[in-house]
Parts: sequence; C-alpha cells; structure tokens
Amino acid sequence: DTEVTQTPKHLVMGMTNKKSLKCEQHMGHRAMYWYKQKAKKPPELMFVYSYEKLSINESVPSRFSPECPNSSLLNLHLHALQPEDSALYLCASSPQGLASDTQYFGPGTRLTVL
Amino acid sequence: GDSVTQMEGPVTLSEEAFLTINCTYTATGYPSLFWYVQYPGEGLQLLLKATKADDKGSNKGFEATYRKETTSFHLEKGSVQVSDSAVYFCAHLPFTSGSRLTFGEGTQLTVNP
Repeated sequence: DTEVTQTPKHLVMGMTNKKSLKCEQHMGHRAMYWYKQKAKKPPELMFVYSYEKLSINESVPSRFSPECPNSSLLNLHLHALQPEDSALYLCASSPQGLASDTQYFGPGTRLTVL
Repeated sequence: GDSVTQMEGPVTLSEEAFLTINCTYTATGYPSLFWYVQYPGEGLQLLLKATKADDKGSNKGFEATYRKETTSFHLEKGSVQVSDSAVYFCAHLPFTSGSRLTFGEGTQLTVNP
C-alpha cells in the first residue's frame, strides 16, 4: 500500500483565518514533504521532515508553519495568508530519511484564499 | 545546476496512437529518474522509475529507459487511451543525502476518441 491521505480536499479561507492542512501515511515512511503547486506548473518544495525533524525549509514565509507530531502525521498550519497563496498543496512521503528515495504523493488540498 | 527539460506541450493524439514525451536531464552523478502523472483535479501518481543506467521502468503500458549516454528518460506508450489524458512530469533525484526532487515543466496530453 502506497497511500498518502490529505484532508481536507478543498479549503476556502479568508486572509484573517487560521486553518490547518493534515497529511497521514501508514507505510512507515521516515521522510515527509509539503509541496505547493500552482496551476499548470510543477510542484515546488516547501518543507521536508526527516525522522520527525524539520530538515529543509525552502525559505517559506512564516505564515506557513509545519508540524510533525509523529512519524505518520504531518500538518501545515496556515495564518494570515494572501490570495496569491491559493494553490494545490501536496504532501508526499518516502521510505528513507533524507536519502535519495522515491516520493509518494497524496491527492492534495485545493486552497483558495479570499 | 541540476535540471530537467521536458518536451513542450500540449500534445494531442487520437486513441491508439503512439506516444513519446521527451525528457532530458542535467545532473552530477547518477540520479534516479521518475515519471509522475497528474489526472485532472488530483495529486501526482508515480507512473514509473529507474535508478541506474539502462534500467527500463514500465507500468500500465508506459515505458521509459534510463539512457546515461544521452542523459534522457523518454516516456513511450504504444497505444494511448482517452483515459491517459493527463499531465506528465519527468523528475530526477540525485543520489546524495538532502537532495531535492527536480521536476520538468510538465506535458499536457489529451487523447481524443
């Protein structure tokens, strides 16, 4: 089973709201990732957790706050977002930590910021 | 730096036509190579992969061969179906700790009945 699940599927929020995106995998994978994808573009890496520790932050604005409560769960907390943050947010996981390894993606959360 | 260049789209084919989507890469060392597919309104699905030179990845009738001499990983399918309509991303991952998955720009494929 190579399933990564994400909730919610769709999210609409105002610029003053606080919301969270959730990602889960039960494959025993040790690295988890957040990507942002704009329409007609490839995904852009935001954060990487390896063995539950934040390993990579691609200079993402502080209005995005990741959290990895345990090895199966990854959250992305959102606060004071801008309309240009509207995008598809993808979670991925890979079996090894930060080694070269296949990444498996979830279905994504479609975020709209009003 | 490392990069992936994909054939520009969109590509429109009739059902049962032969498909080729070109992909070339630049990288130091020997990266792993991937094709991901994204159906409308969905996330990315791993279609196939190859981890060393001359490896052939295959899945659902799609194939791609890791060609070190030409730094290429072209995607092929002998007979496309309407259900293959999607965006296809070529990607590479260098074999070093902390490396990033680098994507091509994606190729939109539309298959008409």
